[in-house]
Amino acid sequence: DQQVKQNSPSLSVQEGRISILNCDYTNSMFDYFLWYKKYPAEGPTFLISISSIKDKNEDGRFTVFLNKSAKHLSLHIVPSQPGDSAVYFCAAAAIIQGAQKLVFGQGTRLTINP
Amino acid sequence: DSGVTQTPKHLITATGQRVTLRCSPRSGDLSVYWYQQSLDQGLQFLIQYYNGEERAKGNILERFSAQQFPDLHSELNLSSLELGDSALYFCASSGLGHGLNSPLHFGNGTRLTVT
Repeated sequence: DQQVKQNSPSLSVQEGRISILNCDYTNSMFDYFLWYKKYPAEGPTFLISISSIKDKNEDGRFTVFLNKSAKHLSLHIVPSQPGDSAVYFCAAAAIIQGAQKLVFGQGTRLTINP
Repeated sequence: DSGVTQTPKHLITATGQRVTLRCSPRSGDLSVYWYQQSLDQGLQFLIQYYNGEERAKGNILERFSAQQFPDLHSELNLSSLELGDSALYFCASSGLGHGLNSPLHFGNGTRLTVT
């Protein structure tokens, strides 16, 4: 049961353009969402997050949008830079049965072309 | 540098064997999490410890076990290894709560290859 889905395994974007990574979730109990970025041979690193009471959170070139009714979130990177090439994981968090639960999607490999 | 240290970086072993993966959390973090990432898969949650006690369990096999010691480092034990156990195993740490207010800090992982 994949509760958090990233349907695009890969995405290729030209340098300077906008990158849009998408994520869907199924459990309405999730109330906090995060994006992590992973370079090869390294662990994931936290990028940006959003609480379910908001619909947008911005941090520099990175903006996360949340559409609760559609159970969908997206990460926008603008302008895209070569250093943004990495695998991006979205994650959803909730307190379920008294324990905090964090569920990751499968990841999207973003390639920024010069 | 996330401050989370995992050893070893690589491990190659045969089926049926047992291995131990070690994790030292970021200074001050009480929670330790273990995740498994198989080829082309997302991060699958295995188990969480908080200040020495098991807090949550995910899709962890019975052949796998973990513990967190008084100095807060953690070990993941994998036994009766099978080819399908080949994966990247990540350890992560956080403060009080993960995700909600305290993002996870991941180590660089241990790549396990079972032959």
